[in-house]
Amino acid sequence: ELKVEQNPLFLSMQEGKNYTIYCNYSTTSDRLYWYRQDPGKSLESLFVLLSNGAVKQEGRLMASLDTKARLSTLHITAAVHDLSATYFCAVDRLGGADGLTFGKGTHLIIQP
Amino acid sequence: EPEVTQTPSHQVTQMGQEVILRCVPISNHLYFYWYRQILGQKVEFLVSFYNNEISEKSEIFDDQFSVERPDGSNFTLKIRSTKLEDSAMYFCASSPGTGPETQYFGPGTRLLVL
Repeated sequence: ELKVEQNPLFLSMQEGKNYTIYCNYSTTSDRLYWYRQDPGKSLESLFVLLSNGAVKQEGRLMASLDTKARLSTLHITAAVHDLSATYFCAVDRLGGADGLTFGKGTHLIIQP
Repeated sequence: EPEVTQTPSHQVTQMGQEVILRCVPISNHLYFYWYRQILGQKVEFLVSFYNNEISEKSEIFDDQFSVERPDGSNFTLKIRSTKLEDSAMYFCASSPGTGPETQYFGPGTRLLVL
């Protein structure tokens, strides 16, 4: 059974600070996805990481993937209030129209 | 920008009733999915659909659930006899199907079973 674990599950931080969210998964996969969800809203795709060592950046968010360690990180630089949301990582098994297995999500609150 | 749409946005039903949730995937996408999210919990995969048949389904997707693509645009999820524990947000998603790609999620249907 594929398991995806995120930590921390809750994070309260101040604007301007840096922090990292971790995502571990239990099986061989080289496809890792990060999504953002605002309260009561749908999931917005942030990053798709498709190979070992992949690094992608968008604004204050940077995601990386280490397939050997089965670990992805989402790093937040100089956080701003607008980044407050729940962040999910997800993994799919190799090949086909696979459903994604999501982590429990990291509920991020950024305080002014 | 193309997006996945879902109707209705909210549905309240009585236990034991049938519900049909509707989705219009992005027009040139080939893979379609249903997920659910019980309030405050993680998103759970239900089923994937490709080439007019189920590609993969999870343990949650039992005989009470079915999916259909009745025409060239709609993709539906039917729950035959709803239970209290079916109360959740149901998300439809689609992906282009040319490789490992982002799945684009719709806004969701919030289902409440009383």
